[in-house]
Amino acid sequence: QKEVEQDPGPLSVPEGAIVSLNCTYSNSAFQYFMWYRQYSRKGPELLMYTYSSGNKEDGRFTAQVDKSSKYISLFIRDSQPSDSATYLCAMSANFGNEKLTFGTGTRLTIIP
Amino acid sequence: NAGVTQTPKFQVLKTGQSMTLQCAQDMNHNSMYWYRQDPGMGLRLIYYSASEGTTDKGEVPNGYNVSRLNKREFSLRLESAAPSQTSVYFCASNSGQAPRNEQFFGPGTRLTVL
Repeated sequence: QKEVEQDPGPLSVPEGAIVSLNCTYSNSAFQYFMWYRQYSRKGPELLMYTYSSGNKEDGRFTAQVDKSSKYISLFIRDSQPSDSATYLCAMSANFGNEKLTFGTGTRLTIIP
Repeated sequence: NAGVTQTPKFQVLKTGQSMTLQCAQDMNHNSMYWYRQDPGMGLRLIYYSASEGTTDKGEVPNGYNVSRLNKREFSLRLESAAPSQTSVYFCASNSGQAPRNEQFFGPGTRLTVL
């Protein structure tokens, strides 16, 4: 079993819809949780970063962490065609120069 | 700032050939990483370097070697390429500084081994 599980999709939704992306994990030591966005033929870029449990909002994006269930989510409100990308969750146990464990990524397409 | 740069962008090798993938960052970061990305497998860590002069194996190190030449540069070498090493390779760096433990990625090298 992988340490981090992520539904690979693909996921297609109409423009303006709310998108929910999820990851589950098995390592209870993970404390730092990230979402990276990767456009086609580009390197990943950090989108959201959260520590421990709770919610974090940044514009149309909300990241949620439920450590008791070992479950993290990324919500995208009012989705736009420019949100079409692959979204990878990532997590680590410690801060600093630390290795990250990535999910496999979910490919999202927003249909105009 | 160029960020993280990688060369070459594309490469085709024959089985058994060798090559070195180059990576450089201009952000004065301590940590650097090499990943490979394959369909359905996500990003898998090959090797990383927590600081200049140190390197450690990641999840999939077999068939690869690395050199942290200085603080800026981290190269990945394939001594005898195999078709299973066909992949997209990403280099990344991390400052390890608050508030975000962010890894910055290069544009990737697409490698095909025939």
